[in-house]
Amino acid sequence: SQTIHQWPATLVQPVGSPLSLECTVEGTSNPNLYWYRQAAGRGLQLLFYSVGIGQISSEVPQNLSASRPQDRQFILSSKKLLLSDSGFYLCAWSVRGSSTDTQYFGPGTRLTVL
Amino acid sequence: AQSVTQPDIHITVSEGASLELRCNYSYGATPYLFWYVQSPGQGLQLLLKYFSGDTLVQGIKGFEAEFKRSQSSFNLRKPSVHWSDAAEYFCAVVTFGGYNKLIFGAGTRLAVHP
Repeated sequence: SQTIHQWPATLVQPVGSPLSLECTVEGTSNPNLYWYRQAAGRGLQLLFYSVGIGQISSEVPQNLSASRPQDRQFILSSKKLLLSDSGFYLCAWSVRGSSTDTQYFGPGTRLTVL
Repeated sequence: AQSVTQPDIHITVSEGASLELRCNYSYGATPYLFWYVQSPGQGLQLLLKYFSGDTLVQGIKGFEAEFKRSQSSFNLRKPSVHWSDAAEYFCAVVTFGGYNKLIFGAGTRLAVHP
């Protein structure tokens, strides 16, 4: 069966520090991968989408970037964190080429920027 | 533009009572619809999905949802709520374009009184 992992689970970082969040998927190949952010009191915002290694689409301009160095690995990064980057970050995967695109979510990373 | 509306931000029900969470969508073609549940501090878990066929779909944990095209609705129901159902519930629709994109509603937070 497929599983999706995210780490760390919780992170507290000072403003201006770098960020690296990791997401890995097991039990499937060639998945579509997604990064979402869930800010306090708000819904889910799609940040990045990837259909393959090195292929990243950005949904919104922001202080963050994403990379996909391996087929089942998706990394969310920032060079300098802002207070507004605080939130709950969720990674998700779906079957590539699926017409229905059911997305399955990881456990999330709680990021607090102070 | 495609959108999902969940009119109720918070709902409180007594344990054992029935539940209906509302979801309305705006989408020009036949929608692919989902309900997810998020427990505090956790990722999103897929409850059920509708792609085609029978408009009443069964999901996990005793939930069901009914697709009504005439009302552009996909309401989630459960005949008898358990205390463990307290969580946040998200309705979502897939939009098809350059890539398949999942549009979420703002969520409904469910509280269950003993």
